[in-house]
Amino acid sequence: EILMTQSPATLSVSPGERATLSCRASQSISSNLAWYQQKPGQAPRLLIYGASTRAIGIPARFSGSGSETEFILTISSLQSEDFATYYCQQYNNWPQTFGRGTKVEIE
Amino acid sequence: QVQLVESGGDLVKPGGSLRLSCATSGFPFIDYHMTWIRQAPGKGLEWISYISSRGDTIYYADSVKGRFTISRDNVKNSLFLQMNTLRAEDTAVYYCAIRVAATGGLDYWGQGTQVTVSS
Repeated sequence: EILMTQSPATLSVSPGERATLSCRASQSISSNLAWYQQKPGQAPRLLIYGASTRAIGIPARFSGSGSETEFILTISSLQSEDFATYYCQQYNNWPQTFGRGTKVEIE
Repeated sequence: QVQLVESGGDLVKPGGSLRLSCATSGFPFIDYHMTWIRQAPGKGLEWISYISSRGDTIYYADSVKGRFTISRDNVKNSLFLQMNTLRAEDTAVYYCAIRVAATGGLDYWGQGTQVTVSS
């Protein structure tokens, strides 16, 4: 099973600032990585797939990069609605696995 | 539009069984692979099972293998999860999800159904 490690666990950021979230895979997953945003009481929302492709309707301030084992989600200028928990997921191998999440909170 | 609606969650005793359903609409169900994901209280997401569009390829997480069974009814456009020998650690919100427009990840999710395993 591929272990997905996200860091940091919590990120305190001021509105308008940039947020950089990291996700590391325990073995190569090529670019088969997705990022999700989840707010309390809601289902997750797909942000990025293929490591860097924005899903339909996702604002351009969200961008993904990386390949193999190291991946980054960047939120260029945090808006109030972006404060949430973010998860990465690998879909290169079965079983698919999620990271434990990074909570982005208001500083 | 694409809709996924889970049901069947309940309070059940350890060792008990439960069957979850996911009713779908707005897309040709028979053409799409389906996935179950769960989330324990205050915890992260856990992928638990996948079934291909025709039902001929199935995968499970180790944590549920041998206890849970995924299935689908392509006539009724529904997905199921039969959960047996339930444990306290199976307590979670269970989501069904699919990939429709994206070429990776899961871009449509249901609202989830709560399963609580407690004596």
